[in-house]
Amino acid sequence: DIQMTQSPASLSASLEEIVTITCQASQDIGNWLAWYQQKPGKSPQLLIYGATSLADGVPSRFSGSRSGTQYSLKISRLQVEDPGIYYCLQGYSAPWTFGGGTKLELK
Amino acid sequence: QVQLQQSGAELAKPGSSVKISCKASGYTFTSYYISWIKQTTGQGLEYIGYINTGSGGTNYNEKFKGKATLTVDKSSSTAFMQLSSLTPDDSAVYYCASGYGLFDYWGQGVMVTVSS
Repeated sequence: DIQMTQSPASLSASLEEIVTITCQASQDIGNWLAWYQQKPGKSPQLLIYGATSLADGVPSRFSGSRSGTQYSLKISRLQVEDPGIYYCLQGYSAPWTFGGGTKLELK
Repeated sequence: QVQLQQSGAELAKPGSSVKISCKASGYTFTSYYISWIKQTTGQGLEYIGYINTGSGGTNYNEKFKGKATLTVDKSSSTAFMQLSSLTPDDSAVYYCASGYGLFDYWGQGVMVTVSS
């Protein structure tokens, strides 16, 4: 199975701050990488797919990038509604696997 | 709009089975596969398997073979997952989601609690 190592596990940031979360894939997965946001008591919501494409309705302050087998999610200016848990997902090879999650809090 | 409505919470005894449902609306049911995902505090999110809603063909994560059985009823646009021989380790929130490899839409989740 492909392992997705996500970091950091938790993060505290201030409003308007730039936040970056990364996922390292254990092998080449191309651009088959998605990012999700989950808020307490809710199901995950798709933010980014294809490593860099913004899902419908997602604010443009969210962006995704790729460097080899390392993938990053960037929030350009943290807003009050952004805290939650963020997960990456590799969709290259079944079984699809998720990163361990990053808990983002407001400082 | 696309909606996946899951059945209610389940409390089950060890060794028993539960069958949870996922009713789709807002799109042509057979246009998307349905996948199932397990969420626990300790293990995070785990892919269980997917079902081809048109043919009924399935793919399972090896870890969940023998534990989960996926079926569909096209007449009611509903996907089902049966979990058998339940143990406390099966206590979790279970989600259905559209697609495979990329999950565009998710159900609200079903909490399954296994306890004697």
